[in-house]
Amino acid sequence: AQSVTQPDIHITVSEGASLELRCNYSYGATPYLFWYVQSPGQGLQLLLKYFSGDTLVQGIKGFEAEFKRSQSSFNLRKPSVHWSDAAEYFCAVLLYSGAGSYQLTFGKGTKLSVIP
Amino acid sequence: GAVVSQHPSRVICKSGTSVKIECRSLDFQATTMFWYRQFPKKSLMLMATSNEGSKATYEQGVEKDKFLINHASLTLSTLTVTSAHPEDSSFYICSASQADPATDTQYFGPGTRLTVL
Repeated sequence: AQSVTQPDIHITVSEGASLELRCNYSYGATPYLFWYVQSPGQGLQLLLKYFSGDTLVQGIKGFEAEFKRSQSSFNLRKPSVHWSDAAEYFCAVLLYSGAGSYQLTFGKGTKLSVIP
Repeated sequence: GAVVSQHPSRVICKSGTSVKIECRSLDFQATTMFWYRQFPKKSLMLMATSNEGSKATYEQGVEKDKFLINHASLTLSTLTVTSAHPEDSSFYICSASQADPATDTQYFGPGTRLTVL
């Protein structure tokens, strides 16, 4: 079955340290991949997406992600974390669900805590 | 741009009553709107997809008679939880896309916290 796995439920990093959030997907075809961030009281905000082309994707807020087909991964990275990056991060894959319909399937999320 | 709002942000109701949640695209026309449910420490679960002017498509296991979805205009979709019970308590999130959801980004609302007593 098609799925998205985020192996880390909770990650804590110090402010200024680098960050990598893992995401693995299970999907037969080339996937459309997304990273969203959810802050309390706010809607999910798109950080970046990969549809095709360059496998290293730049997003907002200094985030980037790399699509690695051989590893079925789409890990999110940031070289230097800011306290305001503390939030819940979701990886998602857009799947074709038939009859011209598509749906986003989300991972369970990774909560990021940042130590000042 | 591309702002989606939800109202109310939080609602508490008694068991057996019905609750309506609104989802609006504020600065764009949404051809497709989606309703998700998010449980604590769980990912978002797609409940249904609605296109303006047509019936919603519900995901397997979602009761269409309990969760009524209306997408009457290109900027408004509503989710009505009918005869709500405590197990319906959850965080409901809508999203909207302007064009083909295969290629267009979904923009998410801030969510509605429903508590059924």
